[in-house]
Amino acid sequence: DVKVTQSSRYLVKRTGEKVFLECVQDMDHENMFWYRQDPGLGLRLIYFSYDVKMKEKGDIPEGYSVSREKKERFSLILESASTNQTSMYLCASITSRGQGAPDEQYFGPGTRLTVT
Amino acid sequence: GQNIDQPTEMTATEGAIVQINCTYQTSGFNGLFWYQQHAGEAPTFLSYNVLDGLEEKGRFSSFLSRSKGYSYLLLKELQMKDSASYLCAVRVFYNTDKLIFGTGTRLQVFP
Repeated sequence: DVKVTQSSRYLVKRTGEKVFLECVQDMDHENMFWYRQDPGLGLRLIYFSYDVKMKEKGDIPEGYSVSREKKERFSLILESASTNQTSMYLCASITSRGQGAPDEQYFGPGTRLTVT
Repeated sequence: GQNIDQPTEMTATEGAIVQINCTYQTSGFNGLFWYQQHAGEAPTFLSYNVLDGLEEKGRFSSFLSRSKGYSYLLLKELQMKDSASYLCAVRVFYNTDKLIFGTGTRLQVFP
């Protein structure tokens, strides 16, 4: 019954490394999202995508980029990891049925990234 | 701007009822979600309100008033396993869907 998967649960990287976080959903959802979650700050949207090869900046895109080459896969890239990017990263997907639809947003299990 | 407010922490006793409030000021409102998140885990879906009124699902109910920008999550017959964070999220729809999250309410249930 797996719906959204993420490539790693825990990841430790060094400052300056390039980091790839992968997310795959099997529900044929159009919209996919990357959030980071930090204590006291809640879930903050980094980037989202509403179609293949389409991407939109969220609230905190600095230091990140994304790739959506296939509908089911949405990747988050840290070009040069820094210690302030240590966080829990959550991927999610949702359909875009429009107003009134009783949808839900499914989250992946999360990746806890530590940058040292 | 977009703003969602909920209390930071609440405590309650096993078997009791607790109400977690959420107020919001957003543009393009298209529904409100409630999620439960246990420590170290991803959020799990609890409820979705798009019309005014009360939605009941077992021990959990969620209420929405769009004119007041207000929602609450009601948890009845509290159990120890209900100790978690509860996230309120507003769905906004312009060209695409996105959710804006509050910072969450950490609920502790005591015996």
